Amino acid sequence: EVQLVQSGAEVKKPGESLKISCKGFGYSFSNYWIDWVRQMPGNGLELMGIIYPGDSDTRYRPSFQGQVTISADKSIGTAYLQWSSLKASDTAMYYCGRRRDNGFDIWGQGTMVIVSS
Amino acid sequence: DIQMTQSPSSLSASVGDRVTITCRASQNIRTYLNWYQQKPGKAPKILIYTASSLESGVPARFSGSGSGTEFTLTISSLQPEDFATYYCQQSYDIPLYTFGQGTKVEIK
Repeated sequence: EVQLVQSGAEVKKPGESLKISCKGFGYSFSNYWIDWVRQMPGNGLELMGIIYPGDSDTRYRPSFQGQVTISADKSIGTAYLQWSSLKASDTAMYYCGRRRDNGFDIWGQGTMVIVSS
Repeated sequence: DIQMTQSPSSLSASVGDRVTITCRASQNIRTYLNWYQQKPGKAPKILIYTASSLESGVPARFSGSGSGTEFTLTISSLQPEDFATYYCQQSYDIPLYTFGQGTKVEIK
């Protein structure tokens, strides 16, 4: 079965670092862009950035540039989203999605990140 | 960024009703428009791509239309499992697609 499986929920304090993951199964992970999407509580969907695992080509939405780092390890079929210093405003659900020519056809189950002192 | 504006933001409807949601783009996006359904606590699911193509496995009561800057998602006969939030997404502005703000479909 083609699927993306994300790492589990995290509870962190402001200023801490965090790396969450998204692992692909059932398809050639290297050959599809992976997107990271933020959904803040009660809000809509915001695309943060994308990565092509085949060559690690990465693009960020300007509002997220410098705030997060997106990476991938194609050898283990996994993409990552990381923060070096979390803020309370990073509290959100984070989804990874597989991009095809039009839209995202496969989504991870989401990783809830709570940042609270 | 291309801005996507959905209307209404929410609506109440009954089982069996015909429901229409509109999405407007801030510039011409041809037919590079996708629709998603999201249920509480779940990831979004693609319903329609390139404005009017039905994703495999999606019931035929869902349909999409439009081009340029105005698009619609129609549910021909609302079913209990269709109560959810619906998002449009433009895939014209590569690579940074943008979503509409969502339309919540609630039970009347």
